[in-house]
Amino acid sequence: EVQLVQSGAEVKKPGESLKISCKGSGYTFTTSWIGWVRQMPGKGLEWMAIIYPRDSDIRYSPSFQGQVTISADKSISTAYLQWSSLKASDTAIYYCVRHTAHYFDYWGQGTLVTVSS
Amino acid sequence: ETVLTQSPGTLSLSPGERATLSCRASQSVSSTYLAWYQQKPGQAPRLLIYGASSRATGIPDRFSGSVSGTDFTLTISRLEPEDFAVYYCQQYGTSPLFTFGPGTKVDIK
Repeated sequence: EVQLVQSGAEVKKPGESLKISCKGSGYTFTTSWIGWVRQMPGKGLEWMAIIYPRDSDIRYSPSFQGQVTISADKSISTAYLQWSSLKASDTAIYYCVRHTAHYFDYWGQGTLVTVSS
Repeated sequence: ETVLTQSPGTLSLSPGERATLSCRASQSVSSTYLAWYQQKPGQAPRLLIYGASSRATGIPDRFSGSVSGTDFTLTISRLEPEDFAVYYCQQYGTSPLFTFGPGTKVDIK
């Protein structure tokens, strides 16, 4: 059974750094693209970035390029999303997704990130 | 950038009724590249339809997808209580690689 298990909720202050994680299991982690989708409070879905763990090929949405960093550690089947300096506008639920063909076939449970002073 | 427009914003129906949700692309989108997702409150989205008309694993056959030109349609033949949710379409393109529509909420009339 394919599973994407994400790290827990985070509460941070503006300017702080953060790295959230997503562990994949039940499939070959290295040969499937994995990525992140943002959902701001009460809003829709926004694709952020994807990575191919086997060779770390990365694609970013122009809206998020330079704002976040995606990475993966194939030795532990885990993908990451990190911020160097959080803003209040980063408050959202972040979903980890597996990308197959042209869609997202599996989703993690979501990680709520709250940024508030 | 291809923009997806979903209509209506909210659809108020009763259980047993038929729901027809629309997703219109601002430019040509291959049917191969169009998917639909369902999101219930407090849950992650789940894949319903891919390739415009193929049901994902475990999705009941009351859900169907179709396409006519740049207009994509998700139909729920007879609404079950568990079908009241928000539905998003998504397309695979160039830059950005993936875009979502704003969603259609199906709520109980």
